[in-house]
Amino acid sequence: DSGVTQTPKHLITATGQRVTLRCSPRSGDLSVYWYQQSLDQGLQFLIQYYNGEERAKGNILERFSAQQFPDLHSELNLSSLELGDSALYFCASGRLAGGPETQYFGPGTRLLVL
Amino acid sequence: AQKVTQAQTEISVVEKEDVTLDCVYETRDTTYYLFWYKQPPSGELVFLIRRNSFDEQNEISGRYSWNFQKSTSSFNFTITASQVVDSAVYFCALVSNFGNEKLTFGTGTRLTIIP
Repeated sequence: DSGVTQTPKHLITATGQRVTLRCSPRSGDLSVYWYQQSLDQGLQFLIQYYNGEERAKGNILERFSAQQFPDLHSELNLSSLELGDSALYFCASGRLAGGPETQYFGPGTRLLVL
Repeated sequence: AQKVTQAQTEISVVEKEDVTLDCVYETRDTTYYLFWYKQPPSGELVFLIRRNSFDEQNEISGRYSWNFQKSTSSFNFTITASQVVDSAVYFCALVSNFGNEKLTFGTGTRLTIIP
């Protein structure tokens, strides 16, 4: 158990809908990273937050957004969902804002868009 | 730009055999970190090891060992006396470019241990 929690574990929804994925980092970690794992794109970095502020952005679609709250949990919002958004979404956490560090991953949220 | 290549898509070995998973990386940075993660059938990503670019010493942890060679830009992972529980997808990853600490993952190697 990495100490990172993600809810829900599974999510099934329809095209055009909006969903929210939630992540709680390990105790003491200030950074939250979001990754998407799909069959065609592999594991891709989406976005990073550190202590409530956006720190780095990857290949995140404009339909997707995220935020980190004062209690350090983070939410990833996916809107106008398309079939291609079906994937496993991971959250990872780390202690630092700068310098490479080990990222510990949560169990993931498996999203299926029908 | 940085890149991680895991040329072996799938490997199957019989239990108790040794197996090596290859990882080749590309980066222009002189300071970087390499990682291995394991993704068992249950789906979570489990951290295995982190190695920095200044430390080429090989590491052994139980049945696992890692061989880092800067001269060939490789960071290979060997499982000795494989067990069925080792069946998983293994990912090699790279972090460099300080200030943007995203992990760049390889495409993974699916390892199947046949009982």
